Amino acid sequence: DTGVSQDPRHKITKRGQNVTFRCDPISEHNRLYWYRQTLGQGPEFLTYFQNEAQLEKSRLLSDRFSAERPKGSFSTLEIQRTEQGDSAMYLCASSLKVAGDTGELFFGEGSRLTVL
Amino acid sequence: AQSVTQLDSHVSVSEGTPVLLRCNYSSSYSPSLFWYVQHPNKGLQLLLKYTSAATLVKGINGFEAEFKKSETSFHLTKPSAHMSDAAEYFCVVSPLLIYNQGGKLIFGQGTELSVKP
Repeated sequence: DTGVSQDPRHKITKRGQNVTFRCDPISEHNRLYWYRQTLGQGPEFLTYFQNEAQLEKSRLLSDRFSAERPKGSFSTLEIQRTEQGDSAMYLCASSLKVAGDTGELFFGEGSRLTVL
Repeated sequence: AQSVTQLDSHVSVSEGTPVLLRCNYSSSYSPSLFWYVQHPNKGLQLLLKYTSAATLVKGINGFEAEFKKSETSFHLTKPSAHMSDAAEYFCVVSPLLIYNQGGKLIFGQGTELSVKP
């Protein structure tokens, strides 16, 4: 399978614990995005990388959230001191930036977080 | 600011009948518009995209959408629904590229399509 893969698919944790999600993009893609989707809502942009550089962060990304893409390949999203409001599906997407790109993103199946 | 509004949170049709999922956009500039589909336990998949070429856009699985600037609409249609079309559909806008170098997408709230046998 050469699509975007995310791990773990499901995570249940207690409030106050730290969690980390991993995303492996399509191998030739240089852009990687994180989105958050809550029940009944469309995905909301969190942050994106071009290669290893984090170029934009949403105001939704509080200081408890940190994302990295150390070698420009896989990425991790860490949430520290989780809160019940962090319960959501965390989606990763990747794309290949070319001249005149039109924003087609390829999404993974998501990592569902439940904070008790 | 750019945004999309999906006018129906849920649409139910019978198999073999037409599908219409409505979307209005708001953008100060010429946007790129997309429809994505999300099947249960599957990743979001691009159905079709509009990028200022032809106003009638054909996508996968028989879906198409028409960009109407005068109505600021980008409705998704399919002549005949199939059971496998049951899913969540998202209308998405990507603002003008020079203001959006990251290719960030702004999603609508989604429309759940049910298909009855």
